[in-house]
Amino acid sequence: AQKVTQAQTEISVVEKEDVTLDCVYETRDTTYYLFWYKQPPSGELVFLIRRNSFDEQNEISGRYSWNFQKSTSSFNFTITASQVVDSAVYFCALSGRRGNLFFGTGTRLTVIP
Amino acid sequence: EPEVTQTPSHQVTQMGQEVILRCVPISNHLYFYWYRQILGQKVEFLVSFYNNEISEKSEIFDDQFSVERPDGSNFTLKIRSTKLEDSAMYFCASSSRLAGTSGANVLTFGAGSRLTVL
Repeated sequence: AQKVTQAQTEISVVEKEDVTLDCVYETRDTTYYLFWYKQPPSGELVFLIRRNSFDEQNEISGRYSWNFQKSTSSFNFTITASQVVDSAVYFCALSGRRGNLFFGTGTRLTVIP
Repeated sequence: EPEVTQTPSHQVTQMGQEVILRCVPISNHLYFYWYRQILGQKVEFLVSFYNNEISEKSEIFDDQFSVERPDGSNFTLKIRSTKLEDSAMYFCASSSRLAGTSGANVLTFGAGSRLTVL
């Protein structure tokens, strides 16, 4: 069975601080995808990144970076030099075999000016 | 940039009434999904739809729910007799390929339809 755990319910940081959002997943599939979505106060779900289970290369994209470690089943997400506009709920998600996504419970990030 | 469009953005209904939520997926996408998010909780999968039939559904998607693609563009979610616990944000999503397969594409979500059942 698929399961995604985001242990951090809420995080507050001061603007310009770095922040890492944790995600741990469980799956029996050998091929799977992991995602991060952002849900700003307006409510929509905004895709941030996708990683497949064969690609453990970590990446930096602007202020965002991702750390995928298969050995620990973790897919953490870091924002450097956080900004107020980063305030949102961030969801980690794992793909199911038939195309559905299993979401974690989300981490609410508040960036204080 | 192509987007998934959902209507209405907010609907208030009385318990027991039927509700239809509408979605226009991205035009070249083949896979369609409904998810829901009860206020303050996680996003939960309801149903996936491909080739004019349901490909998978969750335990939440009981006989009160149905989906339909009545024409080439719309994808609807019907709740036959709403209950208080159906109050939630309902998200439609579409993708060009199954999210879990090799070379998979990403689910693009609509902005959501907030349903309030009184």
